[in-house]
Amino acid sequence: EAGVAQSPRYKIIEKRQSVAFWCNPISGHATLYWYQQILGQGPKLLIQFQNNGVVDDSQLPKDRFSAERLKGVDSTLKIQPAKLEDSAVYLCASSFQGSSGNTIYFGEGSWLTVV
Amino acid sequence: GESVGLHLPTLSVQEGDNSIINCAYSNSASDYFIWYKQESGKGPQFIIDIRSNMDKRQGQRVTVLLNKTVKHLSLQIAATQPGDSAVYFCAENTGNQFYFGTGTSLTVIP
Repeated sequence: EAGVAQSPRYKIIEKRQSVAFWCNPISGHATLYWYQQILGQGPKLLIQFQNNGVVDDSQLPKDRFSAERLKGVDSTLKIQPAKLEDSAVYLCASSFQGSSGNTIYFGEGSWLTVV
Repeated sequence: GESVGLHLPTLSVQEGDNSIINCAYSNSASDYFIWYKQESGKGPQFIIDIRSNMDKRQGQRVTVLLNKTVKHLSLQIAATQPGDSAVYFCAENTGNQFYFGTGTSLTVIP
């Protein structure tokens, strides 16, 4: 079974530039998550989708971050304009149903450095 | 927000010894817990999970113990190997949310 796919793996941009990350979840997984992981910390949820609807985006900085999952499969996370503090790993994850009692599986992450 | 904490940020063990990684969680309503292993440059990898109606679950070389009375979770790794060196996270599931701790960095000394 293929895992969660993410691209690009690494990205370096200057502050105030924009960047987009793509995620393809495990086949059949209805729920998709984007997490931000700052070095030395645990993952922090940015946004959770159930199919193509948003379940939780309470911790997404909406002035600069946006995410979509138009057809209920792939998802894109965008940052515009980027700030230095956005340097982190952006992890996409998916689960079969909602996260309640269902294991979530992570991709390898997209590593962002803002300079 | 929820708080999931780890007692020790770093742990060093000799190869072949057993490792114990601890985790405290804050929400007594959490009903599902997962341990993840994260190697350098990779995403978190599922190790083992446990539901709140259990107090122990065993996998291959790993055991998870859950003490709901004191809201404590532990991961035991038997016969620790160099390949076990990584950061280990516990995650608690409350409703539709997962909350992750800071992580414990395990170093295995050959």
